[in-house]
Amino acid sequence: AQTVTQSQPEMSVQEAETVTLSCTYDTSESDYYLFWYKQPPSRQMILVIRQEAYKQQNATENRFSVNFQKAAKSFSLKISDSQLGDAAMYFCAYRSYQGAQKLVFGQGTRLTINP
Amino acid sequence: KAGVTQTPRYLIKTRGQQVTLSCSPISGHRSVSWYQQTPGQGLQFLFEYFSETQRNKGNFPGRFSGRQFSNSRSEMNVSTLELGDSALYLCASRLTQTGLFTEAFFGQGTRLTVV
Repeated sequence: AQTVTQSQPEMSVQEAETVTLSCTYDTSESDYYLFWYKQPPSRQMILVIRQEAYKQQNATENRFSVNFQKAAKSFSLKISDSQLGDAAMYFCAYRSYQGAQKLVFGQGTRLTINP
Repeated sequence: KAGVTQTPRYLIKTRGQQVTLSCSPISGHRSVSWYQQTPGQGLQFLFEYFSETQRNKGNFPGRFSGRQFSNSRSEMNVSTLELGDSALYLCASRLTQTGLFTEAFFGQGTRLTVV
């Protein structure tokens, strides 16, 4: 079974600064997807960024980028130029490439942005 | 385009009762998944439906059940409610169930409180 671990329950950063959220995972599969989801107080999970395991290039979406280390099974999220609207719970998630399409989530990291 | 709609948003039930939660996916989406979110256990996969058939099931007791209708709307039912069933129940819909990447869009959830 796959597992996802987020070791930072809480993080804080000054507005306009850069912050990195950590995630490690365990799987025996070679093909899979990794995601970072954001859950603001509205409770709706929003996809921030995804990474396909077969791609060596790290995914980037505007101010959000990942550092994907497949051998180390590590998948961190970097948020540049942090904004007040980035404050939320962030969840790292895993999904198999084939077979069961369920998302396996980490425990989450609560990100606070200090003005 | 309307998003994923979950009803009701909030629910209070008494131990021993049963409850039915509803999820209307994005138009055209045929896959619906359900997740339970609690502070202690985090986000856990309940089940996935595709074309009215349950395709995957998480590790939950038989008190948790679901179904999907021909219009892709889904309901989940919890019978003989226990205090530990208090949680945020999230529904997510996807366009297809194949291994190719399709984003899962989440609703805002139903907050169930069992007293």
